[in-house]
Formats: sequence, structure tokens, C-alpha cells
Amino acid sequence: ELKVEQNPLFLSMQEGKNYTIYCNYSTTSDRLYWYRQDPGKSLESLFVLLSNGAVKQEGRLMASLDTKARLSTLHITAAVHDLSATYFCATTLDDKIIFGKGTRLHILP
Amino acid sequence: KAGVTQTPRYLIKTRGQQVTLSCSPISGHRSVSWYQQTPGQGLQFLFEYFSETQRNKGNFPGRFSGRQFSNSRSEMNVSTLELGDSALYLCATSPGGRRGYTFGSGTRLTVV
Repeated sequence: ELKVEQNPLFLSMQEGKNYTIYCNYSTTSDRLYWYRQDPGKSLESLFVLLSNGAVKQEGRLMASLDTKARLSTLHITAAVHDLSATYFCATTLDDKIIFGKGTRLHILP
Repeated sequence: KAGVTQTPRYLIKTRGQQVTLSCSPISGHRSVSWYQQTPGQGLQFLFEYFSETQRNKGNFPGRFSGRQFSNSRSEMNVSTLELGDSALYLCATSPGGRRGYTFGSGTRLTVV
């Protein structure tokens, strides 16, 4: 059974600080997704990582994938309040997307 | 281009009733997946359709069913509603292959 574990589940941080969210998955998969969800809203796609060593960056967010370690990271650089949201990682098995429980990120001014 | 359209956005139903939710994918997206999101269980996979065929099904009771039409639009149906079915139901569509998924705005179902 494919399991996806994120940590931390809750993160409160000061603006301007850096932090990393970790995503571990239990079986071999060739893709990893990161999504953002604002309260009461749907999921917004942030990154699609398709190969070992893939690194993608968008603004203050950078995602990476290590398929050998079955680990993906989402790094936040110099956080700003607008990044407050819940972040989900997900991977697939047989076209079934399995999500982590999400990391609720709260950035304090 | 138009995004993924889910209707209705909000729904209130009584226990024992049934409900049908609709998802219209982005043009060219043939894969449609459905998810249930609750505070306690998070995002759980319901089922996935591709070219009118159900390819995968999650661990939900038979009261949850779905279908996909030839234009790739999909519906999901929940019969004999229970209070625990109250959730945000999301559909996600993809052109297939290893490309990403785009989510609709969701249908918030409340069962009273």
C-alpha cells in the first residue's frame, strides 16, 4: 500500500525565515506533486517532479525529488505572509493519487 | 482556457437522500479522478475514470459510484446519504500520462 507522510504537519514561522517541508513516500513512484490549498478553496498545483534529482523553483518556493530516498522537499525562502496555506505532497500508484496529510503553514508578520 | 468545472458548488441534503455531482474537465483531459476531503481523514481517493472506463477505485462503500461520458464529463453519485458523507468533493482532471492534475473548485456537501 502506498503511503505518503509529510512533516511537519503544522508550522508557524516568522516572516523572512527559511524552512523545509519533507515528504516521504513508501513505494517506488516516478512522479511527485506539490499542491497548495487556501482555506475553503480547492488545490492549486505548484510543482510536478518527474525524475530523480529534479528541482523546480517558483518565487520563494523550491521543490526537489530524490527517488532513491523516496523523499521530496519543499523549501521556503524568506517567507512572507502570503505563503500561509496548507501544502500537500502527493504521488501516484496505478494512476491513483495518494496525498499526504498536508502541512499547515502559518507565517507570522 | 477554461478550467475544471464542478457543479453544484454547495449542496445540503438530508440523511437517506441521494446526490449527484458533476465535473467537466479541461478540453482534452480524458482522465477524471474524484476525491473526498474531510478534516479528519484528509484527501481520500474515490475513483478514477479514463475514456469512460473506471480504472481505479478507492476504499469507499458501494453507495459511492461514478461514471464518465463520451465527452469526458464525469458524475459521481452517493446514495443513502449519511452524516459522515459531509465533505468537500473534488475532481481532478489530466490529459493522461505523467502530466499533472488540475483540480476543480469542489462541491461542498452537507448532510443534515
